[in-house]
Amino acid sequence: KAGVTQTPRYLIKTRGQQVTLSCSPISGHRSVSWYQQTPGQGLQFLFEYFSETQRNKGNFPGRFSGRQFSNSRSEMNVSTLELGDSALYLCASTQASGYNEQFFGPGTRLTVL
Amino acid sequence: AQKITQTQPGMFVQEKEAVTLDCTYDTSDQSYGLFWYKQPSSGEMIFLIYQGSYDEQNATEGRYSLNFQKARKSANLVISASQLGDSAMYFCAMREVSGAGSYQLTFGKGTKLSVIP
Repeated sequence: KAGVTQTPRYLIKTRGQQVTLSCSPISGHRSVSWYQQTPGQGLQFLFEYFSETQRNKGNFPGRFSGRQFSNSRSEMNVSTLELGDSALYLCASTQASGYNEQFFGPGTRLTVL
Repeated sequence: AQKITQTQPGMFVQEKEAVTLDCTYDTSDQSYGLFWYKQPSSGEMIFLIYQGSYDEQNATEGRYSLNFQKARKSANLVISASQLGDSAMYFCAMREVSGAGSYQLTFGKGTKLSVIP
């Protein structure tokens, strides 16, 4: 079974630009979560999508948004990039039952110049 | 208030020795899950082990075991027979099962484990 995939793996953008990151979950997984990892703040929850609906959202500004498609693939978008948005963005997928673990993708490393 | 506390920023262990990574958590929920993940320098988060709050037995997965002490709110990870490939960051995380079944994880700051040959 293929794991969680994320594209692109690396991105370099400049301040003010916008960026879209993509995540394909494990087949059959309906929940997709996004996390931001920075050296200063550690791992922080961005949002979670389940059946194309945002089920939960972390404490991030409205510049961070996401969506989920009918095939469970998810995208997150960051508009008006700031230097502080430089981070590793991790996507995780989960089966929709019980207390199952979240399986993470390899991440997208975003650098904002 | 910090929900997951990992008090060891870095640890060293001799190859083939056992090591314990500490994790304490804070929640008022009765139903929750505790996880440990390994993150090598490549960045990918690798799931290691899971413990549910209602599980009476400590979880084990190969060389990994979770020392779950509910009353003390601790969930320490024990790695037996350390290998050089175990050198990585280790994160403890908690999922509180409230709020529409959300799969949000709260992570600790991590412990960097270095295995010495």
